[in-house]
Amino acid sequence: QSALTQPASVSGSPGQSITISCTGTSSDIGDYNYVSWYQHHPGKAPELMIYEVTNRPSGVSNRFSGSKSGNTASLTISGLQAEDEANYYCSSYSSNNSLPVVFGGGTKLTVL
Amino acid sequence: QVQLQESGPGLVKPSQTLSLTCTVSGGSISSGSYYWSWIRQPAEKGLEWIGRIYTSGSTNYNPSLKSRVTISVDTSKNQFSLRLTSVTAADTAVYYCARHRAETLSFDYWGQGTLVTVSS
Repeated sequence: QSALTQPASVSGSPGQSITISCTGTSSDIGDYNYVSWYQHHPGKAPELMIYEVTNRPSGVSNRFSGSKSGNTASLTISGLQAEDEANYYCSSYSSNNSLPVVFGGGTKLTVL
Repeated sequence: QVQLQESGPGLVKPSQTLSLTCTVSGGSISSGSYYWSWIRQPAEKGLEWIGRIYTSGSTNYNPSLKSRVTISVDTSKNQFSLRLTSVTAADTAVYYCARHRAETLSFDYWGQGTLVTVSS
């Protein structure tokens, strides 16, 4: 069981927007702005899409945006494209010194 | 452009030791404020952080694996390595190495992953 909770799957049609949630606790998402999101196409290296809750690395489309409210972080993808179909994982810093990095279980995005 | 590449046996027998190496290119493993991490993904499951080594050589491990894991670095070869002892079928997974930026605590570069199967 993953430390962060994500929906197993979401779907949307091309051009639409979708949001993926990632719920943690006050020991991770709630108290720290170190939430990151990763896109993973099977067989390829995962790619960093969002870091520090809202920041996009250079080269990542501005169709990807991040936010946080309380213990829940969210990734929104606007103007869905076929190439966005992938697995998405959230991650957060955790104040648990024994486990400083926690991941979500992943969300499969299907573009209909 | 930093690149990471995992290498090592794809098949390990139960009770034996899994050993993987991550070769870093496009940058020095000993410069900057980075953690060098290992992450794994069993089939049909999510990502699991295994542990990391800092540029200073200090390490942190997932408590669930701590008794069996060692991560080390060879700066002369620009590589870092994973050793996981006493493996079982539950350790079958795709293993990734990744660079973890200390200032943003995000994994900004990943290897493509290597499948390790534990089977006799």
